[in-house]
Amino acid sequence: DVKVTQSSRYLVKRTGEKVFLECVQDMDHENMFWYRQDPGLGLRLIYFSYDVKMKEKGDIPEGYSVSREKKERFSLILESASTNQTSMYLCASSSPRQGAGTDTQYFGPGTRLTVL
Amino acid sequence: DQQVKQNSPSLSVQEGRISILNCDYTNSMFDYFLWYKKYPAEGPTFLISISSIKDKNEDGRFTVFLNKSAKHLSLHIVPSQPGDSAVYFCAARTTSGTYKYIFGTGTRLKVLA
Repeated sequence: DVKVTQSSRYLVKRTGEKVFLECVQDMDHENMFWYRQDPGLGLRLIYFSYDVKMKEKGDIPEGYSVSREKKERFSLILESASTNQTSMYLCASSSPRQGAGTDTQYFGPGTRLTVL
Repeated sequence: DQQVKQNSPSLSVQEGRISILNCDYTNSMFDYFLWYKKYPAEGPTFLISISSIKDKNEDGRFTVFLNKSAKHLSLHIVPSQPGDSAVYFCAARTTSGTYKYIFGTGTRLKVLA
């Protein structure tokens, strides 16, 4: 079974702090994604990566950066946390090698971040 | 601009009946569609998918229908069970540039015993 783990389930930070959210997958997946989930807005893509040291902006990258130094690990960084970044953050991974022309995403349990 | 829309934020269905969840999209470049289910305090889990070259895919109690001309897909759950109560997200894969997934806003399904 694919396992995607996230470093924290709950996190409380103060405005202006630098925040690191870590995600690790154990299935040798090439693709990794960071989303945030907000009520009424669904899942919105922040950043994604198709390979080590490679990253691409998603739909809402402002205020975030990412790092992928190893294939299994994808980190989301909030350079200076703000209250509007209070949200549920979901990491996902996938592989085009899964076949059938698709790359189903496997999600971690999420990190609920509160910025005070 | 919401390219993938789930216009019903919630749906209640009696146990044993059919649940129909709907999703509309605007982008003709989407080539694959998926449904995910999400329980509280858990990440979404994959449920079923359909390629844009098909109009139906079935997996046990779950069937997804795709109407390309209407840019509409639906998920049918028959029969509905209380354990199906969750938030359901539809997602579409775009092939323009590097491909990625666009998710809808979700529909909360409640199956009443």
